[in-house]
Formats: sequence, structure tokens, C-alpha cells
Amino acid sequence: QKEVEQNSGPLSVPEGAIASLNCTYSDRVSQSFFWYRQYSGKSPELIMSIYSNGDKEDGRFTAQLNKASQYVSLLIRDSQPSDSATYLCAVGFSGFQKLVFGTGTRLLVSP
Amino acid sequence: EPEVTQTPSHQVTQMGQEVILRCVPISNHLYFYWYRQILGQKVEFLVSFYNNEISEKSEIFDDQFSVERPDGSNFTLKIRSTKLEDSAMYFCASSETGEYQPQHFGDGTRLSIL
Repeated sequence: QKEVEQNSGPLSVPEGAIASLNCTYSDRVSQSFFWYRQYSGKSPELIMSIYSNGDKEDGRFTAQLNKASQYVSLLIRDSQPSDSATYLCAVGFSGFQKLVFGTGTRLLVSP
Repeated sequence: EPEVTQTPSHQVTQMGQEVILRCVPISNHLYFYWYRQILGQKVEFLVSFYNNEISEKSEIFDDQFSVERPDGSNFTLKIRSTKLEDSAMYFCASSETGEYQPQHFGDGTRLSIL
């Protein structure tokens, strides 16, 4: 059973702070990792993809991957109230086309 | 920016009725997917479709479900005899190629079974 685990939160941060979201996955041979943002009642919106160990930055977002620890994270710098949403970690497991999603972490950014 | 479009946005159906959910994937994408999300739960994979055939399906995707690409643009999910537990958001997604590629999601169809 391929699993993706996230803390459901909520994670509360003040405006301007760094939000750190974490995700672990069960299959060591996983190859592709994605972060999606989902506002309440809306569809998942792709924020970042990462495939190699290390950091990948895109604007205020940084994805970090550590395959040895089976761990992927998302940092959001200068958090804004509009970042308040549920952040979904999704993993593509080798040999499969499907994405396996975590339960998501709810982020609340207070003004 | 190209996007995946889904219709209808909300479908209300009596239990036991057939329902068809429609999707138009991004035009140059080759892989198509259906996911569902029951209220308050995880996004769950249903099926992937490539080259006019199912390439992978989950345990949820039983004989009551079918998918079709009836023409060059549409991708449909049919549920033959709906059950109360089929009530969920159904998301269509597409990707340029298959494994390892980002999947882009449509806005979803909320299916309510009465």
C-alpha cells in the first residue's frame, strides 16, 4: 500500500512569516513529487514539482526533497492571507501513472 | 493559459440513475485521469487513460464505471447505476506524457446522489 502522510493542521502563521509544510511517503523508489494548493470547494492547483534531491525555488515557494529520508517539504516565504488553503502533497510512484495524495495540511495565515 | 474544463459543475441525480461527467483536457496532453474527493477526505485516483485505452485503474473503478474518449477533445466518465456513496467531487486531469509529469486538474464536477 503506497502511502503519503501529512499533518492535517491547521498550521497557523502570521502574515510575513515562513510557513513550513511537510510530507512523508512510503515507497523508496518514488520518482516524482508535487505540491498542490486547494482552496475550500475548489480543485487542486499545481504549485511545484520536484524530482531530484535538494531544493527547488519558484518565487516565494521552495520545495525540498530528501529521498533517503522519504521526505518532501514546501516552504512559503512572506506568507500572505491569500495563501490560506489546504496544501496537498502528491507522489508519483515508479511504474504507476497515478498520483497518491496525502490528506493535506490546512494553512491559516493571519493578518 | 490552457486549462482542463469540466461540465457540469454540479450534477444532482437519483440513486440508480446513470450519470456522465464530461471533460475537455488540455489540447496537447496525451494522458487523462479521473480522481474523486469525498467531502473532507483525500483526493483518490480512479483511472488513467492513454491511447484510447485504460492504462491503470484503482479498486474504486469497478464495473459501474467506464471512461471514453468519444472524439478528439472530450473525455467522459460514466457511472452506470449510481449509489449514495458515489456522491463526491470528481476531478478530471491531464498531463503531457505519463509517468512523472505534472497533472493539471479541472475545476471538478460536484455529484450529489439523492
